[in-house]
Amino acid sequence: LAKTTQPISMDSYEGQEVNITCSHNNIATNDYITWYQQFPSQGPRFIIQGYKTKVTNEVASLFIPADRKSSTLSLPRVSLSDTAVYYCLVGAYNQGGKLIFGQGTELSVKP
Amino acid sequence: EAQVTQNPRYLITVTGKKLTVTCSQNMNHEYMSWYRQDPGLGLRQIYYSMNVEVTDKGDVPEGYKVSRKEKRNFPLILESPSPNQTSLYFCASSRGVEEQYFGPGTRLTVT
Repeated sequence: LAKTTQPISMDSYEGQEVNITCSHNNIATNDYITWYQQFPSQGPRFIIQGYKTKVTNEVASLFIPADRKSSTLSLPRVSLSDTAVYYCLVGAYNQGGKLIFGQGTELSVKP
Repeated sequence: EAQVTQNPRYLITVTGKKLTVTCSQNMNHEYMSWYRQDPGLGLRQIYYSMNVEVTDKGDVPEGYKVSRKEKRNFPLILESPSPNQTSLYFCASSRGVEEQYFGPGTRLTVT
């Protein structure tokens, strides 16, 4: 079961691009990489998911190198409302269902 | 509206008094899971279920029970709650490797 490592916290300013990297050295062949956003006292919310290369949606991009041992969540032009905790999750539900969240990265966006 | 509901949202109880936290989803998802969240420890999986009548332990199952008699419901049972089970609990569901949908959370205090 892949374990993930992320920075504990990051600071940024409004309008900047923020990149949060997650390390998952023991990722398995069938594992997907999923990122969630969580605001205080709310349940995590799905941001993006990928398996390899690059995935982009309306809110973020996910970059995954060829060896898949890390991944980078990229948030373009952050705003104050992006202040939250971001979790990287690695797993494959069809391979057992046990999932381990990392500690998360607390992103603080300042004006 | 697609959602995961949890009840109750807040609960204060005493040590040893059995309680059940209900979780229900209306998306016909096969996978359901319970997490607890404590300051500094992130999200930790308690139990998960790949389908009806199929449940398995997550990372921190001690002191908890679950059942999956119907696809939509996945109650969390604390037979004899103790103060160290004071926490914020989240239920989640997903179809497979797709994104998990999280409930609003249940804040439990055991005195």
